[in-house]
Amino acid sequence: EVLLQQSGAELVRPGSSVKISCKASGYTFTDYYMHWVKQRPEQGLVWIGRINPANGNTVYAEKFKSKATLTADKSSNTAYMQLSSLTSEDTATYFCTNSGDWGQGVMVTVSS
Amino acid sequence: DVVMTQTPVSLSVSLGGQTSISCRSSQSLVHSDGNTYLYWYLQKPGQSPQLLIYKVSNRFSGVPDRFSGSGSGTDFTLKISRVEPEDLGVYYCYQGTHYLTFGSGTKLEIK
Repeated sequence: EVLLQQSGAELVRPGSSVKISCKASGYTFTDYYMHWVKQRPEQGLVWIGRINPANGNTVYAEKFKSKATLTADKSSNTAYMQLSSLTSEDTATYFCTNSGDWGQGVMVTVSS
Repeated sequence: DVVMTQTPVSLSVSLGGQTSISCRSSQSLVHSDGNTYLYWYLQKPGQSPQLLIYKVSNRFSGVPDRFSGSGSGTDFTLKISRVEPEDLGVYYCYQGTHYLTFGSGTKLEIK
């Protein structure tokens, strides 16, 4: 069974950074891109970017190029996304997905 | 960026009825490898999205045959027949040919 297990909810201060994780199991981690998707409350899905876990190559949506940093650790089958300079606009649920399977989502709340 | 235009915004369907959702892309989704990376997802309330259809017309594992996808180039359709209560939620089309973009979603309600 494929499972994408994401880290827990985060409450962070404006201006800070946060790093969330997505641990993959049940398939060969390096065979599929890992994508990250943002969903603000009651809104649609927005693609942030993707990483190729096999070689670390990344592609970002234009609006997230200075906001998100994607990394992957092949030894632990875990993908990471770091979000920097957080503002209230970053309050959202963040999903990882290999396109077919999705993590449960991480709620990030930016508040002082 | 490829823009995905999804219609309608919402649907109300009777149990056992049939409906369809349209998705149009601003440019062709045929990849240089010959595949068309058009997907359909369903996001049920409070849940992660779940894949229904991949590469236009292929049902993902476990998806009932009440769901079918069709289309080519820039025009795509998801059809749902014999609508059941568990079909309610928001349906998204999504293209993976030119990086990724999602449609804005179609909310399906049961009458």
